[in-house]
Amino acid sequence: GENVEQHPSTLSVQEGDSAVIKCTYSDSASNYFPWYKQELGKRPQLIIDIRSNVGEKKDQRIAVTLNKTAKHFSLHITETQPEDSAVYFCAASNYQLIWGAGTKLIIKP
Amino acid sequence: DVKVTQSSRYLVKRTGEKVFLECVQDMDHENMFWYRQDPGLGLRLIYFSYDVKMKEKGDIPEGYSVSREKKERFSLILESASTNQTSMYLCASSSGLLTQYFGPGTRLTVL
Repeated sequence: GENVEQHPSTLSVQEGDSAVIKCTYSDSASNYFPWYKQELGKRPQLIIDIRSNVGEKKDQRIAVTLNKTAKHFSLHITETQPEDSAVYFCAASNYQLIWGAGTKLIIKP
Repeated sequence: DVKVTQSSRYLVKRTGEKVFLECVQDMDHENMFWYRQDPGLGLRLIYFSYDVKMKEKGDIPEGYSVSREKKERFSLILESASTNQTSMYLCASSSGLLTQYFGPGTRLTVL
């Protein structure tokens, strides 16, 4: 069946540096790619999404890129801050969201 | 603001008990979902519903059932709880098949 692979499972970066999380998907018909952030003890919340007719989307310090040919998409966080520490989930959807396993992002002071 | 609420934040039950987890959303969303979240395994879909009285199995439906008698309410039922059902349970709702809005979660412990 369809699946989404997410890497790395844990990412530790120095505060102020950039962080990149990558996902690959198997269903070539997928056309919607959201990213969710889950802070410790809280619910997952959508932070950014991209549709298949767009290659890149930015929102302040976060950006998502999509390569449909290679079937992968990435989340980029620049100038990381302590409040960026969380678990990040990617997902891909044709008619149903298929989730990645999550990446725990640790921001070192 | 979308509001998704779950009946309990923490729940402790004994093996063999019947357990009800309830989820209510106030945005008239047609779609509702139940997930379980375990460390390293991400979000795994148990059941979802696209309409009242309609349900579809997700990836891990075994040992669970659901009920959707009203549009705003989606219940997850553990007919006979087992220790391997100890987990965090998250409910979500959406309009269309895109952005899902999550509830705060119920941490269930089965002893």
